[in-house]
Amino acid sequence: QQPVQSPQAVILREGEDAVINCSSSKALYSVHWYRQKHGEAPVFLMILLKGGEQKGHEKISASFNEKKQQSSLYLTASQLSYSGTYFCGTEWGNTPLVFGKGTRLSVIA
Amino acid sequence: GAVVSQHPSWVICKSGTSVKIECRSLDFQATTMFWYRQFPKQSLMLMATSNEGSKATYEQGVEKDKFLINHASLTLSTLTVTSAHPEDSSFYICSARAQGKAFFGQGTRLTVV
Repeated sequence: QQPVQSPQAVILREGEDAVINCSSSKALYSVHWYRQKHGEAPVFLMILLKGGEQKGHEKISASFNEKKQQSSLYLTASQLSYSGTYFCGTEWGNTPLVFGKGTRLSVIA
Repeated sequence: GAVVSQHPSWVICKSGTSVKIECRSLDFQATTMFWYRQFPKQSLMLMATSNEGSKATYEQGVEKDKFLINHASLTLSTLTVTSAHPEDSSFYICSARAQGKAFFGQGTRLTVV
């Protein structure tokens, strides 16, 4: 069952913030976030396993709600290098990752 | 992080021919690998799960006789697109799990002419 990602696309100016959401109709085992540049393979950003968990690296962070049905990715003070398509990948235990449709982020100067 | 290597990066082939794509885990063993397909501006769609030493598990709608998967060792899985047609043109990506994370190969862009 494919998770629902929103928004589908967003355009930011350098320095602005963005939030990307990923939701599921049933509780998840984990959520993985990836960024993909055009023509390249997805690159791992972070994984969240526990309800209520929040984690981040530099200016990119993510949260997982208590019910483990929604995760949000926060991009703070965006940089040009943040441009790309962001995917959340979800799983329900020992299953392959199922990806959302992606959020296309464009950061402009 | 773990490294997954995919080869070739791109291939152009004629309709009716077969193409083999290799996926290797370079610094870890992977009893399971996953094959995804991605059409332009779309998400990664799981095609099949490759299991070392046993048959692959295909997702609904994926023709197992057309997309042959072989996982003969703990570090290598291959996907062969048989009798390729232009509609098979896509970006094919393999993935393997290590430390709970999914690592992806570089992807193979297949163009069938």
